[in-house]
Amino acid sequence: AQTVTQSQPEMSVQEAETVTLSCTYDTSESDYYLFWYKQPPSRQMILVIRQEAYKQQNATENRFSVNFQKAAKSFSLKISDSQLGDAAMYFCAFYGGSQGNLIFGKGTKLSVKP
Amino acid sequence: DVKVTQSSRYLVKRTGEKVFLECVQDMDHENMFWYRQDPGLGLRLIYFSYDVKMKEKGDIPEGYSVSREKKERFSLILESASTNQTSMYLCASRPFWGTGREQYFGPGTRLTVT
Repeated sequence: AQTVTQSQPEMSVQEAETVTLSCTYDTSESDYYLFWYKQPPSRQMILVIRQEAYKQQNATENRFSVNFQKAAKSFSLKISDSQLGDAAMYFCAFYGGSQGNLIFGKGTKLSVKP
Repeated sequence: DVKVTQSSRYLVKRTGEKVFLECVQDMDHENMFWYRQDPGLGLRLIYFSYDVKMKEKGDIPEGYSVSREKKERFSLILESASTNQTSMYLCASRPFWGTGREQYFGPGTRLTVT
């Protein structure tokens, strides 16, 4: 069974600084997808970034980028130039195999200090 | 934009009541999901549906049932609400043939059972 682990329950970053959120996963699949979702205090879960396992190039979306290490089964999220609006719960999620659903980590609560 | 709506943002029910949580998506997605979110536990899958009239148990189906009579609507039913079902409930959808595999979430329903 696939598992997703986020080892940092809480993180804090100063505004305009860079922060990295960690995620590791376990799978025997070779073809899968990884995601980072953001859930602000208003609760709407939104997709931040997606990485296909077959792609060697790390995904980027504006200030958000990932460090995808397939052999190490690691998928970290880097947020550059942090903004107050980045404060939220961040969830790492895995999609692969025969399942149709996502497997989520337990989340990391990110605080941004002005 | 994909829109997933949930019938209530906040709901308070009494122990033993039958509770219906409704979810509607407007993008003709085949797959729909119900998750439960609790602090420190992340998102856990209750039930999902591949298409109309179809349903599959997730990781924590006990005490819940679902109904999918129309493609756009997926209902979660608590047959006899109990206090341990006090939680945040999130609905999500995705297209079966989508290239990205990500799910689109509703705003959530905070259910309190007293």
